[in-house]
Amino acid sequence: GQQLNQSPQSMFIQEGEDVSMNCTSSSIFNTWLWYKQDPGEGPVLLIALYKAGELTSNGRLTAQFGITRKDSFLNISASIPSDVGIYFCAGQLIQGAGSYQLTFGKGTKLSVIP
Amino acid sequence: DTGVSQDPRHKITKRGQNVTFRCDPISEHNRLYWYRQTLGQGPEFLTYFQNEAQLEKSRLLSDRFSAERPKGSFSTLEIQRTEQGDSAMYLCASSLRKTNEKLFFGSGTQLSVL
Repeated sequence: GQQLNQSPQSMFIQEGEDVSMNCTSSSIFNTWLWYKQDPGEGPVLLIALYKAGELTSNGRLTAQFGITRKDSFLNISASIPSDVGIYFCAGQLIQGAGSYQLTFGKGTKLSVIP
Repeated sequence: DTGVSQDPRHKITKRGQNVTFRCDPISEHNRLYWYRQTLGQGPEFLTYFQNEAQLEKSRLLSDRFSAERPKGSFSTLEIQRTEQGDSAMYLCASSLRKTNEKLFFGSGTQLSVL
């Protein structure tokens, strides 16, 4: 089945630094998404990407849909303490009779040192 | 809009017992999804409903699992004869049909099977 590889698995950064994380797949996706999960909560959607090469921003967050459709990147600028959490990439490939499931990566755990 | 609500938040049970979880989606959302998340992993798709129809089931959904959405509103997920391997966070999400990639997750039900 489809698998998403996220890197890095975890990262510790100083407040104010920029952060980059990425996600790669062995299969193509039609849609890439980035979610953030806080402890004890469900994931919250940050950014959705729909076209190869697309670059989309949401405040300090910027994400890109790779041109091969097999990867995506998330950048966070000027990190703040509330950026702490686990960031998941997810891909969707609607195929056949219509499989709408999202395939998630294992997440990148971000820690911000004040 | 009160978001996706899940009940209970936590459930501890003994192996072999049956458990049932409830999910109340965002009221105008006609799609409802169940995902399972284990420690250190991203959410894994279990099943989804469009209104009251269960349209897709993952191979993860063994015969001991059953999900219903009888009136197209709330949903229940039942696990019969629980096993220790069923211990996980069970996440419910909902979406509009036209933006089915944008899942709104609940806070989940954390199941511990002793």
